[in-house]
Amino acid sequence: KNQVEQSPQSLIILEGKNCTLQCNYTVSPFSNLRWYKQDTGRGPVSLTIMTFSENTKSNGRYTATLDADTKQSSLHITASQLSDSASYICVVSWGGGGSQGNLIFGKGTKLSVKP
Amino acid sequence: GAVVSQHPSRVICKSGTSVKIECRSLDFQATTMFWYRQFPKKSLMLMATSNEGSKATYEQGVEKDKFLINHASLTLSTLTVTSAHPEDSSFYICSAQVSGQSYNSPLHFGNGTRLTVT
Repeated sequence: KNQVEQSPQSLIILEGKNCTLQCNYTVSPFSNLRWYKQDTGRGPVSLTIMTFSENTKSNGRYTATLDADTKQSSLHITASQLSDSASYICVVSWGGGGSQGNLIFGKGTKLSVKP
Repeated sequence: GAVVSQHPSRVICKSGTSVKIECRSLDFQATTMFWYRQFPKKSLMLMATSNEGSKATYEQGVEKDKFLINHASLTLSTLTVTSAHPEDSSFYICSAQVSGQSYNSPLHFGNGTRLTVT
């Protein structure tokens, strides 16, 4: 069964600290893995997209890693800011076909950054 | 660039009425748009894939007669919740992919519509 599991479910950190969010998946055949940031009551915003051959990708203070062998990904946030408070969603695409309907969404990690 | 506008952002309606939600790609063409539903603290659930000029493809368990989708142009898809009931209350989000881009390209999401049925 295609699944995407994220941990932790929620996380509270102090402003300026770093944190790492985890994503494990059992999706086959794998196409790509995406990390999205979703502010409360808003739509998700793309942070990174990684294909099978990519094992790291950065977007500012966000760095995603991918280990396709162990089917794990992480999202590292450096020097957190209050505006980083949001849900971070891991999404895995499967099948490699032309449709983006083949996406499996994780439940997200709710990050709270406190001053 | 690549902005998706979703309207309305919030709507409250009475049970039995219908509600239409619009999803527009403002600065790009989108042959395909997607509609999702999100419950509190849950992940997005794909409801249907909307294709310009043809019938939408619904996911298993989604009632096509209840959730009517129309994708009449390359920049607009609409979702109509017909005969709404309180259990239809949810957060509905659309997304769009720039026409011609590969499946490894980003999806662009609208900001969602909070539907409350009283």
